[in-house]
Amino acid sequence: EAGVVQSPRYKIIEKKQPVAFWCNPISGHNTLYWYRQNLGQGPELLIRYENEEAVDDSQLPKDRFSAERLKGVDSTLKIQPAELGDSAVYLCASSSMAQETQYFGPGTRLLVL
Amino acid sequence: AQRVTQPEKLLSVFKGAPVELKCNYSYSGSPELFWYVQYSRQRLQLLLRHISRESIKGFTADLNKGETSFHLKKPFAQEEDSAMYYCALRSSGSARQLTFGSGTQLTVLP
Repeated sequence: EAGVVQSPRYKIIEKKQPVAFWCNPISGHNTLYWYRQNLGQGPELLIRYENEEAVDDSQLPKDRFSAERLKGVDSTLKIQPAELGDSAVYLCASSSMAQETQYFGPGTRLLVL
Repeated sequence: AQRVTQPEKLLSVFKGAPVELKCNYSYSGSPELFWYVQYSRQRLQLLLRHISRESIKGFTADLNKGETSFHLKKPFAQEEDSAMYYCALRSSGSARQLTFGSGTQLTVLP
């Protein structure tokens, strides 16, 4: 099993440019999470999906961030436009209803110049 | 609001020495506590949870509600224990949000 897959692994963009991150959760996991991890900090939840429904997006900066999870499987997180402060690692995780243990992907390291 | 505090950003011990990584939390309800670990160049993974009351790779952690702590302990550290350790709290109820501490980088010296 490949585990949670994320792409790209690294991304460098200039400020004001758009960027998108993709996540493929573990097969059968209906809950998907997006976290942001700033340097020297622990992960912070941005949004949580139950199937295709966003059930917790209170920490998502909605003026520039958007996310979708079409068909309740893959998910995309977008930033438009990116700001310098968005430089961070963006982590995706998934879990099943039965177990609830969150399994993390390798993350996407974003650098905004 | 829930909060997790890991007071030590860096911790170094010698191989064979005991190690304790501190974690304190604040939460008004009944929390679920976890320790996650991230080895070099690997993804974040669950190490143990307080509900299981199990020992993983020689590590144990006891939830102390009186002191609101969930310290991670191992009697004899090994070099392969060197990693970043995160304490996390999951709230009860429908939100069930996972809140992480800022992490402790453990280095076990030969």
